[in-house]
Amino acid sequence: GNSVTQMEGPVTLSEEAFLTINCTYTATGYPSLFWYVQYPGEGLQLLLKATKADDKGSNKGFEATYRKETTSFHLEKGSVQVSDSAVYFCALDDYKLSFGAGTTVTVRA
Amino acid sequence: GAGVSQSPSNKVTEKGKDVELRCDPISGHTALYWYRQSLGQGLEFLIYFQGNSAPDKSGLPSDRFSAERTGGSVSTLTIQRTQQEDSAVYLCASSSGQGSRDTQYFGPGTRLTVL
Repeated sequence: GNSVTQMEGPVTLSEEAFLTINCTYTATGYPSLFWYVQYPGEGLQLLLKATKADDKGSNKGFEATYRKETTSFHLEKGSVQVSDSAVYFCALDDYKLSFGAGTTVTVRA
Repeated sequence: GAGVSQSPSNKVTEKGKDVELRCDPISGHTALYWYRQSLGQGLEFLIYFQGNSAPDKSGLPSDRFSAERTGGSVSTLTIQRTQQEDSAVYLCASSSGQGSRDTQYFGPGTRLTVL
């Protein structure tokens, strides 16, 4: 079946540091891939998505590229801010979403 | 426009009681999903509706869980004879139902606590 493996957290960074969260997947077919974010006390929000191989999703300074050859969709941001502190979930879509375990990111001023 | 709404936002109940959780999807969205978020299990799929039909109920953890959708809109998730392990945040999402490339939009969730 479909599954997502996501880098374990928690991750603690200083402001302006580089963030990367690894995500790999196992799937039949060609699913869409997503990163969702959950800010403290809030619901799940779509951060970015990619629907086919080599697509790059980007939003709010975050980027992720759909790599079919390595079955990966790693999330990156070049310079994090305190406001990026949240839990990040990688997911794949085979009409229903299969989520990774989530990575808690804390950015310190 | 209005997003996905869920009610109640919080529900505390006693073990053995029945509970109903409600989801109002984004207007015009034909696909509706229920997920559960718990500390031990992460985010799990429960059930998928396309219109009023549920072609995939594979994530419902037991026969105490059921869900329905009426008028292609509102959905209710019912948990009978609640147990402490049912404590979790129950999330509803909707999408336009155009295919697997759809984006699912999530509601704020209902936090269920079973005492």
